Amino acid sequence: EPEVTQTPSHQVTQMGQEVILRCVPISNHLYFYWYRQILGQKVEFLVSFYNNEISEKSEIFDDQFSVERPDGSNFTLKIRSTKLEDSAMYFCASKSSPNTEAFFGQGTRLTVV
Amino acid sequence: AQSVTQPDIHITVSEGASLELRCNYSYGATPYLFWYVQSPGQGLQLLLKYFSGDTLVQGIKGFEAEFKRSQSSFNLRKPSVHWSDAAEYFCAVLGEGGAGKSTFGDGTTLTVKP
Repeated sequence: EPEVTQTPSHQVTQMGQEVILRCVPISNHLYFYWYRQILGQKVEFLVSFYNNEISEKSEIFDDQFSVERPDGSNFTLKIRSTKLEDSAMYFCASKSSPNTEAFFGQGTRLTVV
Repeated sequence: AQSVTQPDIHITVSEGASLELRCNYSYGATPYLFWYVQSPGQGLQLLLKYFSGDTLVQGIKGFEAEFKRSQSSFNLRKPSVHWSDAAEYFCAVLGEGGAGKSTFGDGTTLTVKP
């Protein structure tokens, strides 16, 4: 069964460092998303991406965040200068069309120290 | 804007007992609704979805949910809980605006007693 894969599963970084979280969406999907879940809290939408551009972003997704589809298979989330409060589980998701269910990856646990 | 409320933060049931997890939504039009399950340290797995049609939907692992427009609810049920069902459960609604984002509830943690 096709699945969304994310790497790494766990990343520890020092405050102020840049991190790139990687995702390989399901191959025939065209709509891509990043969500985050701070420990013990709800899953929050960060950004949606379609046709090589951001289609919607939340208030959380400020200038320190960026997304990219560098090639035909990967979808990345970059955090330029990490802060302690960026520590969370980051989930990538993909869809074949906007009005269908999202398929989620296993997540990357980011710990900023 | 759309929103989802899961009134129960934590529920404990005995193995073999029935389960109902509550979900209420706020949405302007006909909602697309989902239930996801998250086991500790794991990702989100789709249990079931409602888009239209029959208001009682069947999902994986023996779960079902009923859409009730009059109550703005989409409660998740299972007739007999297994120990492996212990997890966190999230209700979600597809957002307005066309980008296809989902809005999640706060989640309900299910504990299963032996």
